[in-house]
Formats: sequence, C-alpha cells, structure tokens
Amino acid sequence: GESVGLHLPTLSVQEGDNSIINCAYSNSASDYFIWYKQESGKGPQFIIDIRSNMDKRQGQRVTVLLNKTVKHLSLQIAATQPGDSAVYFCGVGTSYGKLTFGQGTILTVHP
Amino acid sequence: ETGVTQSPTHLIKTRGQQVTLRCSSQSGHNTVSWYQQALGQGPQFIFQYYREEENGRGNFPPRFSGLQFPNYSSELNVNALELDDSALYLCASSLADGRDTGELFFGEGSRLTVL
Repeated sequence: GESVGLHLPTLSVQEGDNSIINCAYSNSASDYFIWYKQESGKGPQFIIDIRSNMDKRQGQRVTVLLNKTVKHLSLQIAATQPGDSAVYFCGVGTSYGKLTFGQGTILTVHP
Repeated sequence: ETGVTQSPTHLIKTRGQQVTLRCSSQSGHNTVSWYQQALGQGPQFIFQYYREEENGRGNFPPRFSGLQFPNYSSELNVNALELDDSALYLCASSLADGRDTGELFFGEGSRLTVL
C-alpha cells in the first residue's frame, strides 16, 4: 500500500522568508501528489496537486516539486505570511478522490 | 468556506453504541468521501460514494458503513463503537467529471469521543 512520510514534524520561519516542506512517498504507482493545509479547528484545504508525469507545478505563492527518482515531494511557499501558519499534509492519490495523507508538518510563521 | 457542512460538530458516545454522522455536499458535487483523522495524524480514507454506490473503501471494518442520497448528501454510520474510534470524521465532496485531480472540498468535521 501507499506510505507517505514528512521529513520534519515542525518548521518555524520568519515572516517574509521562503518555506520548504519536504515529503517522501513509497508507492510509485501513484497517479498524482497533493498538498493540503489544515488550520486549527478546520478541515483540510487543498493547496495544489501535481500529476506523476510532471516534475514542477506553480500556484499562487506556492511551488510543488516532484522527484520520482528518489520518491520525494516538496512544497515551497514564497514570502511566508502569518496566515500560512497551519499543519501541512502531503499525500498521494491512486484514483479519484482516494487520497493517502502523511502525518503533517506544523508550520509556524513568526512576525 | 467550502460549502460542505457536517453535523453534529461534536458528540460523545460510549463503547458499544452506534453513531450516525451527516454531510451535505457542495452544490453540484456528485461524489462524497469520508475520512477519519485521529489526533496528531493525517486523515485516513474510509470510503467514497458516487451516484449512491460505494466506490472504494479503505482499511476499515464493516461496522463502518455509509449512504449517499439522491441529493448527494451522505451519512457515515459506525456500529459497536470502540475507544479507538474517537477521532475527527471528515466529509469531502468533489465532482467526478473525468478530470483526475486531488482537489477535494472538506467540511470542518464531526469530533467523536468514545468513552
């Protein structure tokens, strides 16, 4: 089955810095890879996804990099803001809507 | 706001009891997935419903069951509750339109405590 693990359980940055959250996965058959954000007391919120045939995708202030050779996924957040403080989950999807999430990285942004 | 609403927001049950959790999908969405999130963990896929039929199931026992109604709302039922069932139960809706995407719209969850 799928297995997803984040490299660091916590990450602390200063406002305005760039943040990088890393993730490793084990299932090479995954169709796509995802990043979600979860704020306290709320449900997970979709950030960005990337298909397995891509190695980079950009969104608003975020970039996801996929390295299939070493089975590594990363999320880069540019100019991190206090509102970015949350738990970030990486995950994999093997078919529509069926996602396997990692344990999460707590991002804390200091003003 | 995702437009996905869940009820109740919190509830407390005792071991052996049964619970029903409800979810109203975002308008226009035809697929509902349920996830269990234990404290400090990522969400775990329970099952998915598409057009009122179960369309995939995670590693959960048969005492976890569900329904999807013609209006695409959904229920999650758990029988014979165990202490380990204490968790946040998340409902996520999406539109299966042929595009393969990881974007789901989650509700804020129902927090279940089993004593």
